[in-house]
Amino acid sequence: GENVEQHPSTLSVQEGDSAVIKCTYSDSASNYFPWYKQELGKRPQLIIDIRSNVGEKKDQRIAVTLNKTAKHFSLHITETQPEDSAVYFCAAPGPFGNEKLTFGTGTRLTIIP
Amino acid sequence: DVKVTQSSRYLVKRTGEKVFLECVQDMDHENMFWYRQDPGLGLRLIYFSYDVKMKEKGDIPEGYSVSREKKERFSLILESASTNQTSMYLCASTRTPRYGYTFGSGTRLTVV
Repeated sequence: GENVEQHPSTLSVQEGDSAVIKCTYSDSASNYFPWYKQELGKRPQLIIDIRSNVGEKKDQRIAVTLNKTAKHFSLHITETQPEDSAVYFCAAPGPFGNEKLTFGTGTRLTIIP
Repeated sequence: DVKVTQSSRYLVKRTGEKVFLECVQDMDHENMFWYRQDPGLGLRLIYFSYDVKMKEKGDIPEGYSVSREKKERFSLILESASTNQTSMYLCASTRTPRYGYTFGSGTRLTVV
């Protein structure tokens, strides 16, 4: 099965600075890499995803990069704001036809005003 | 918007009780999942279902079973609750994970 490792487990950045969270995966057949954000007391929500046919995807202040050779992908948040404080999870699905996602252990991001 | 509804937000049960956690989705999704969330361990898959009456074990199925008699409803069953099953339980559904999961609000279960 798929194995997903996520680092760091906690991250504190000054408001306005950038934050980067990294994940590695084990199954080279994985072809879809989503990121979820979970605010305190709320459900995880999909914020961005990337498929294996592209190397980078941006949506306003967030971006995800993928390196298939090295089997890692990263979430980048620029110009961080207090509302970015949350736990972020990466995930990967494993071989095509296997519809389950394996999640990383999460990164607690704290934005310092 | 897809809605995934979990029947209880908080539950307190006694050791040895049989516990049912219910999840209902309203968008005709084929795939439904049960995860448990624990600090430092992330989201771990208990069971999933890709069709009515179909189920597959996830990474931590021991002590749990599931039921999917109708497409919109996926139930997680703790046959005999134990204290180490105290956790947050999250249900999710999707047409395909390659288009993202929609999660329910979660059920925080405490077994005493």
